[in-house]
Amino acid sequence: GDSVTQMEGPVTLSEEAFLTINCTYTATGYPSLFWYVQYPGEGLQLLLKATKADDKGSNKGFEATYRKETTSFHLEKGSVQVSDSAVYFCALRYGGTSYGKLTFGQGTILTVHP
Amino acid sequence: DAGVTQSPTHLIKTRGQQVTLRCSPKSGHDTVSWYQQALGQGPQFIFQYYEEEERQRGNFPDRFSGHQFPNYSSELNVNALLLGDSALYLCASSLAGGSQPQHFGDGTRLSIL
Repeated sequence: GDSVTQMEGPVTLSEEAFLTINCTYTATGYPSLFWYVQYPGEGLQLLLKATKADDKGSNKGFEATYRKETTSFHLEKGSVQVSDSAVYFCALRYGGTSYGKLTFGQGTILTVHP
Repeated sequence: DAGVTQSPTHLIKTRGQQVTLRCSPKSGHDTVSWYQQALGQGPQFIFQYYEEEERQRGNFPDRFSGHQFPNYSSELNVNALLLGDSALYLCASSLAGGSQPQHFGDGTRLSIL
């Protein structure tokens, strides 16, 4: 079945450091890929998305490129801020009403220190 | 423009009881999905409702059931609660079709004693 795997363990960075959170997926078709962010005590917010191979999603300084050849969708940011501290989830979803479910990775906790 | 709203925010139940959680989708959205998020895990898909019918279901037992109303709001019902049902339950809404992103509510925290 379809699955999403994120890098293990929490990530701790100093402010202005470069961020990479790895995400790889296994899928039988050609899904759309998403990054969601969850702040403490809140639900998930869509951070960015890409709907086909080689698309680059970007938002708030974060970006990720849909790499079909490596089945990856790694999240990057050039300079993190303390306010970026949150849990980040990679997810996939097929288009169309009949395939609406999101399949999530296990999440990566990001902590940014001043 | 109100986003996805869920009620209640927190709920405490005991084993064997039944619970109903509620969700109002974002204005203009017609599809509602429910997810269970155990502590420290990613959300797991329970089911999705569209046009008042269950359109897709994840790997959850029949104790989990739902309903969608004509105004697109939805309920999640869980019978015979188990300790393992303790989790954050998230509702997400979207427009049917294509790659429309799902918008999430803040969830209902269910604790089973």
